[in-house]
Amino acid sequence: QVQLVESGGGVVQPGRSLRLSCAASGFTFNTYAMHWVRQAPGKGLEWVAVIWYDGRDKYYADSVKGRFSIFRDDSKNILYLQMNSLRAEDTAMYYCARDQRQWLLNWYFDHWGRGTLVTVSS
Amino acid sequence: SSELTQDPAISVALGQTVRITCQGDSLRNYNAGWYQQKPGQAPLLLIYGQNIRPSGIPDRFSGSSSGNTASLTITGTQAEDEADYYCNSRDTSGNHLVFAGGTKLTVL
Repeated sequence: QVQLVESGGGVVQPGRSLRLSCAASGFTFNTYAMHWVRQAPGKGLEWVAVIWYDGRDKYYADSVKGRFSIFRDDSKNILYLQMNSLRAEDTAMYYCARDQRQWLLNWYFDHWGRGTLVTVSS
Repeated sequence: SSELTQDPAISVALGQTVRITCQGDSLRNYNAGWYQQKPGQAPLLLIYGQNIRPSGIPDRFSGSSSGNTASLTITGTQAEDEADYYCNSRDTSGNHLVFAGGTKLTVL
């Protein structure tokens, strides 16, 4: 079965960096686009970034563009989110999610991990 | 506009039908997705595309759309349907995704 397991969250000071990982299993990883979605405590969902199945295109939410970078290692079936210049408002649960459609970018998320919590605080 | 809006909270009596709506300009061009999230859990995809239910989603959940409004209807609401519901769609640029603020559904 499809499994997505995030890791790498923790407490970090403002201005510092953190790298999140999402280990995927149970499906052919390199045929699906992958997303990061976050949720601040007690708040709604916010899409963060997407990477095409072959890594050729990446898109970012305006709130993280220029600070965050999404990439993937298809040899290890791992999705990453490099987060630089972190701010208090980046505090959230970060979920990785699989795009619903194989070989395409369909912008729906049919499988989600359980999330990893990032807290940005001095 | 790239914003999507939902009513913050709705209540429904057990066994009744409830409609949750989502409004935004991007819905004229892109289909909405609908997600259910229960406390402490990751969201679950309920409806996507042309109102398609993923495998395993009960048929009491259905979607529809008209103009700038997408709707999620729950027919015969069950106690376990009490949750937060989110719609999303691509924004008007087509290269970003937007979520609405969510609707907290209470089953009475």
